[in-house]
Amino acid sequence: EDQVTQSPEALRLQEGESSSLNCSYTVSGLRGLFWYRQDPGKGPEFLFTLYSAGEEKEKERLKATLTKKESFLHITAPKPEDSATYLCAVQARTQGGSEKLVFGKGTKLTVNP
Amino acid sequence: NAGVTQTPKFQVLKTGQSMTLQCAQDMNHNSMYWYRQDPGMGLRLIYYSASEGTTDKGEVPNGYNVSRLNKREFSLRLESAAPSQTSVYFCASRLSNSPLHFGNGTRLTVT
Repeated sequence: EDQVTQSPEALRLQEGESSSLNCSYTVSGLRGLFWYRQDPGKGPEFLFTLYSAGEEKEKERLKATLTKKESFLHITAPKPEDSATYLCAVQARTQGGSEKLVFGKGTKLTVNP
Repeated sequence: NAGVTQTPKFQVLKTGQSMTLQCAQDMNHNSMYWYRQDPGMGLRLIYYSASEGTTDKGEVPNGYNVSRLNKREFSLRLESAAPSQTSVYFCASRLSNSPLHFGNGTRLTVT
């Protein structure tokens, strides 16, 4: 069964304290991995797409990396405005040839000033 | 550029009542989706429409129906609401296999 597991479920950091969020997956036929940010009361907002192992993407204090089994979202010197829930989603090809998107349950990040 | 617009933002229903959640996108996307998000469960796919004129069941379709009215609009109907359908509902759209664009959700409470 295709699965996406995010860890930790929640993470508290002090402003400036760098860390990483993990997204591990077991899917057949990976077609892409997506990272989203979700603020309270809002819909998820797209951050990055990664397609192949070794690929990296950066945006401001965020850097996403991908291996054959997991992806990391590295947060460098976070600020309170980085507080949000971060979601990972994997696009996989099914046995029938169609494609589906599987979401993890998210990591809730809190950055204290 | 509005993106994905959902109405209403909030709704309270009594058990057995019906309602339709509306979704419209202005990005000329071909695929549209309805998800529900519950604490500890993550996002779960209810129904999707890969293109105008087609709809398919997702992971949790029971108790729901959908209509792809045209390329822009995709509605979700609850025929007889149940407390188990209390949730936050998100509509999303995308072009082929590009990232999903989400609306800001409808918060539904069924008493």
